[in-house]
Amino acid sequence: DARVTQTPRDKVTEMGQEVTMRCQPILGHNTVFWYRQTMMQGLELLAYFRNRAPLDDSGMPKDRFSAEMPDATLATLKIQPSEPRDSAVYFCASGLAPGPSGPNNEQFFGPGTRLTVL
Amino acid sequence: QKEVEQDPGPLSVPEGAIVSLNCTYSNSAFQYFMWYRQYSRKGPELLMYTYSSGNKEDGRFTAQVDKSSKYISLFIRDSQPSDSATYLCAMWGPASGGSYIPTFGRGTSLIVHP
Repeated sequence: DARVTQTPRDKVTEMGQEVTMRCQPILGHNTVFWYRQTMMQGLELLAYFRNRAPLDDSGMPKDRFSAEMPDATLATLKIQPSEPRDSAVYFCASGLAPGPSGPNNEQFFGPGTRLTVL
Repeated sequence: QKEVEQDPGPLSVPEGAIVSLNCTYSNSAFQYFMWYRQYSRKGPELLMYTYSSGNKEDGRFTAQVDKSSKYISLFIRDSQPSDSATYLCAMWGPASGGSYIPTFGRGTSLIVHP
């Protein structure tokens, strides 16, 4: 049963600390997305990778957030330094892009990392 | 104003009712329209995916797109308590560099009571 995995599932940290969230996409998928979900803003796209290359990160605060794919089986999202306003659920999703452009027909979401910054 | 507007609800209906969930959007470049269901403390899962204006049916679910009005709907027939979840609309549009990126609505919380 292929699924996207995310670690940790829950993270509580203090303001100023570095936070690293990890995602293992479904084997064979060539796109990875990072989202942040809050009650106020809903689901917001932070970063988008295709074939491990960053395609779009316009939704990500560049001063403190960074996203990477060191290899095809691992995507990371880092926050340094973390702030209370970063408290949210962070989702990773993977999918198969049909070609060099155009949307995914389907993204498969992981269970999310619930981040609380005190 | 957000590009995609969706009433957060909650929407409470009795079992067996027909449910109508809606989103409006302002970006005419959106081309692909999706509905996701999200249970509490879970990730969203895709329910329906449409490209053109018109209706698409899958079991108890019907997705409707009206591009001229920039309005999409999801209808659920014979609603069940297991349908209780948050429903998110999503729309894909072109971004810089030739890629497409999704924009999500805030989600509507649906409660189906027995």
